[in-house]
Amino acid sequence: SQELEQSPQSLIVQEGKNLTINCTSSKTLYGLYWYKQKYGEGLIFLMMLQKGGEEKSHEKITAKLDEKKQQSSLHITASQPSHAGIYLCGADYSGGGADGLTFGKGTHLIIQP
Amino acid sequence: EPEVTQTPSHQVTQMGQEVILRCVPISNHLYFYWYRQILGQKVEFLVSFYNNEISEKSEIFDDQFSVERPDGSNFTLKIRSTKLEDSAMYFCASSPDRGRWQPQHFGDGTRLSIL
Repeated sequence: SQELEQSPQSLIVQEGKNLTINCTSSKTLYGLYWYKQKYGEGLIFLMMLQKGGEEKSHEKITAKLDEKKQQSSLHITASQPSHAGIYLCGADYSGGGADGLTFGKGTHLIIQP
Repeated sequence: EPEVTQTPSHQVTQMGQEVILRCVPISNHLYFYWYRQILGQKVEFLVSFYNNEISEKSEIFDDQFSVERPDGSNFTLKIRSTKLEDSAMYFCASSPDRGRWQPQHFGDGTRLSIL
């Protein structure tokens, strides 16, 4: 089984609608990072969550970390075509080291006009 | 905004040849990383580098791979005797400092195609 599971794998949403993407870890999280990747391009850092219950927002994107469930959710309000892409969550399992992130498989988001 | 730059954007190499992928991390960053993404699969960590030595490496990063910071700005990944399965997108990343509170910033990647 995967250490970091993302759901759904893909999502088609009508422009203007809200949506939520989830990321669940099978191990204790020390940090959870959200990135966006456009097809064939690099990863763009969105947000970083460090503590249980933490919530961060940037423009129309909000991310939360539920420490009990070892889960994070990414919520987009009033989706726009610019939100389309692949959303990746990355876990820091190291507890503070300069170590690599473990990524989920990603959620492909398509915004329909 | 400062960014991580990678060259070349696409590299085509014959199987068995050596290839060097280059990265210029963000200038005041201290930690450097390489990741790879095989087509259709997830991004996988290869190696992290700090203070001119490897900090951590994954099981993927075997003797075929090496990293180097040849000068004050470049960070390279060398793959010796390339195999077909080395075909992937390779991403370089850097972070300001060690630790869980420091986001890693990624470059746009080098697409490596082994023929």
